[in-house]
Amino acid sequence: GQSLEQPSEVTAVEGAIVQINCTYQTSGFYGLSWYQQHDGGAPTFLSYNALDGLEETGRFSSFLSRSDSYGYLLLQELQMKDSASYFCAVRVRPNLNSGGYQKVTFGTGTKLQVIP
Amino acid sequence: DAGVIQSPRHEVTEMGQEVTLRCKPISGHNSLFWYRQTMMRGLELLIYFNNNVPIDDSGMPEDRFSAKMPNASFSTLKIQPSEPRDSAVYFCASSLNGNNEKLFFGSGTQLSVL
Repeated sequence: GQSLEQPSEVTAVEGAIVQINCTYQTSGFYGLSWYQQHDGGAPTFLSYNALDGLEETGRFSSFLSRSDSYGYLLLQELQMKDSASYFCAVRVRPNLNSGGYQKVTFGTGTKLQVIP
Repeated sequence: DAGVIQSPRHEVTEMGQEVTLRCKPISGHNSLFWYRQTMMRGLELLIYFNNNVPIDDSGMPEDRFSAKMPNASFSTLKIQPSEPRDSAVYFCASSLNGNNEKLFFGSGTQLSVL
């Protein structure tokens, strides 16, 4: 199976930078995604890393190290609206007989609170 | 595009009743996922369809749960009989071309079983 670990809660100040880490244990790893979910809302896609390195999308960046089974989401210039839960998710191929099917398994989420 | 559409948004039912949740994926997407979200267990994958065919149902909790996808634009998740522990938010998600790099989620169905 797959296991993902991320901190349960993080608090940061408006305008600051925050990093949310994710470590995973799985076989058949294809890539790591990040999703944002506001209270009462649906998860929305933020970024995806298949290769090692940093992917930047505006204020948000995501990093992956396949050798370390580790990734992080970096949020810069924090705004109050960034207060939400952030989930990492691994895309894996369950087994060689899965016919190319890639399963997406989510971590338990990190609740980010941005304070003034 | 209207996005992934789920109905109903809220469902309150009594234990033992049948519950049917509905999902319309984004047009052109050929992969569809059903997830369940609770505080205790987070987002759990229940079942995955590709080209209307169930590929992985290992996350379906028990025989009381069943899912169908009769065509590319419609899927249902049925619970019969429902139990209080089934109370959760149920999300449907779809992706393009089965690569599953990016999932698009519906607004979810908040299910309460009394």
